[in-house]
Amino acid sequence: KAGVTQTPRYLIKTRGQQVTLSCSPISGHRSVSWYQQTPGQGLQFLFEYFSETQRNKGNFPGRFSGRQFSNSRSEMNVSTLELGDSALYLCASSLAGDYNEQFFGPGTRLTVL
Amino acid sequence: DAKTTQPTSMDCAEGRAANLPCNHSTISGNEYVYWYRQIHSQGPQYIIHGLKNNETNEMASLIITEDRKSSTLILPHATLRDTAVYYCIVRVQEGSSNTGKLIFGQGTTLQVKP
Repeated sequence: KAGVTQTPRYLIKTRGQQVTLSCSPISGHRSVSWYQQTPGQGLQFLFEYFSETQRNKGNFPGRFSGRQFSNSRSEMNVSTLELGDSALYLCASSLAGDYNEQFFGPGTRLTVL
Repeated sequence: DAKTTQPTSMDCAEGRAANLPCNHSTISGNEYVYWYRQIHSQGPQYIIHGLKNNETNEMASLIITEDRKSSTLILPHATLRDTAVYYCIVRVQEGSSNTGKLIFGQGTTLQVKP
């Protein structure tokens, strides 16, 4: 069974631009969660989607948004990029998002110049 | 904030058991303890989880104290490939909906040495 895939793997943007990251969960998984990882703040929860609905959200500004499609694939968008948005963005999928284990993808490394 | 406290770093000799402690003194009765690890530049990997009983799988064992205020992850025969950051997580339950939100702390950097 294929794992969680994320595209692109690496991305370079400049301040003020926007970016869209994609995540394809493991087949059959309906929950997708997104995390941001930086050296200073560590791994921080962004949001979770289940059956195309945002079910939970972390403490990030409105510039960070996401969505989930009917095939469970998910995208996250960051608008008006800031230097501090440089990070590894990880998505994780699970069967239903409750106490099922989460499977993480390799991440997208975003650099904002 | 994370509800867990872990040592910042630990060393372990290759072939020996690695015992990674975690304190979670404010854990609620229906919250699980999860362990993940992250090898450099990769996404976190699930290891094991438990509620109150000890658990064992092909990767590790999880020992939870009777009062559930602390736990220990045991890697029985550590190898160099087990060098990673290990995260102990108390699974947050939001309202009536069990969600996929994991609150990561800083974790323990385990260095397995030859």
